[in-house]
Amino acid sequence: EVQLVESGGGLVQPGGSLRLSCAASGFSVSDHYIDWVRQAPGKGLEWVGRSKNKPGHSIDYAASVKGRFTISRDDSKNSVFLQMNNLKTEDTAVYFCTDVLAQVDYWGQGALVAVSS
Amino acid sequence: QSALTQPASVSGSPGQSITISCTGSTSDVGGYNFVSWFQQYPGKAPKLMIYEVTNRPSGVPDRFSGSKSGTTASLTISGLQAEDEADYYCGSYTSSSTPYVFGTGTKLTVL
Repeated sequence: EVQLVESGGGLVQPGGSLRLSCAASGFSVSDHYIDWVRQAPGKGLEWVGRSKNKPGHSIDYAASVKGRFTISRDDSKNSVFLQMNNLKTEDTAVYFCTDVLAQVDYWGQGALVAVSS
Repeated sequence: QSALTQPASVSGSPGQSITISCTGSTSDVGGYNFVSWFQQYPGKAPKLMIYEVTNRPSGVPDRFSGSKSGTTASLTISGLQAEDEADYYCGSYTSSSTPYVFGTGTKLTVL
């Protein structure tokens, strides 16, 4: 069974940091783009960033997070990570990992990140 | 990159057909056949319903269909059922500075 599981969410103060993990099972992340998508409370979906698969493993970010968020991957652990620094209240959202271009339904259950003092 | 434009809400009665539009530009919807549609229930993760404009993943009922004309993609649900009541989002590859963009989302109400 194909599955993505996010972890690492929580409550953090403005200016703080948090690292989300996305663990895959049933398929190899090395064969896929992995995207991070977020959804603020009561709002729509927002694409956050992407880690491309081999050979380049290049990474793209949305303008709203560029310079603050970093995506990395560890193919040996079949996982992708989202390091979030200098968090702002507007980063409060449920964060999903997925492959938005997939032909199969690849979505994790989401991890809640709350940025508040 | 601005979000793709969807109607905020649509509604229909059981058995009827509804269509949700998703309007973009030649840099996204109009320029590529990488438009997907996602269904989302409150508090749940999105679910892929249509990929590459017209294709249904395994397990998605054939009541759901996708199409595209110019810079507007559409999701049609025929034989509307109560369980179809949910939020629907389109998404597209884009050649702009960020490679992917979602639509604004549409709340479907089954009357």
